[in-house]
Amino acid sequence: LAKTTQPISMDSYEGQEVNITCSHNNIATNDYITWYQQFPSQGPRFIIQGYKTKVTNEVASLFIPADRKSSTLSLPRVSLSDTAVYYCLVGLYGGATNKLIFGTGTLLAVQP
Amino acid sequence: DAGITQSPRYKITETGRQVTLMCHQTWSHSYMFWYRQDLGHGLRLIYYSAAADITDKGEVPDGYVVSRSKTENFPLTLESATRSQTSVYFCASSESPGTLGLNTEAFFGQGTRLTVV
Repeated sequence: LAKTTQPISMDSYEGQEVNITCSHNNIATNDYITWYQQFPSQGPRFIIQGYKTKVTNEVASLFIPADRKSSTLSLPRVSLSDTAVYYCLVGLYGGATNKLIFGTGTLLAVQP
Repeated sequence: DAGITQSPRYKITETGRQVTLMCHQTWSHSYMFWYRQDLGHGLRLIYYSAAADITDKGEVPDGYVVSRSKTENFPLTLESATRSQTSVYFCASSESPGTLGLNTEAFFGQGTRLTVV
């Protein structure tokens, strides 16, 4: 499974756009990129998933360059409630294994 | 209620005792997972299961035992609890990815906070 590297923490202010980048240099051809969000004392929650280029949903956008060795989660106009840990996962989907391995994540702190 | 539920939510046990954490999901998802999360750390995979009667080790399986006789249940047993197993345990489930690489969003329970004294 591809190993991921993310910043340990990031700070932002309300109303700003936040971009969290994840490096996954040895991503395999069949690997998808998935982001989860975790609030204190709760289980993680799926945010977005993509394979290449750009994916957007009502919560976030995911940008994946052509070489797929990194990806960027973009949160538009963050609020205090976006303070959480964000995990980038790279894993095999479409095969026999669905082993979800989480890294250490990025703690995003949004200030007023 | 539909969803994934863990029980108990809180548990205090003594060193050396056997304790079982329960996980139940109502979606008939193929995959189920157990994670532990220690203070200030990310989630570490303990065991996972691709279907009933199929389980496999994750990153930190030592000291834990799992079973999956029914699709909807995936209990985690600490055979002889140690203080190092004090942690928050999360269970999750997801559909099988199949061969088309479809989205396999994982759904997590609320967690079980286990303290071993």
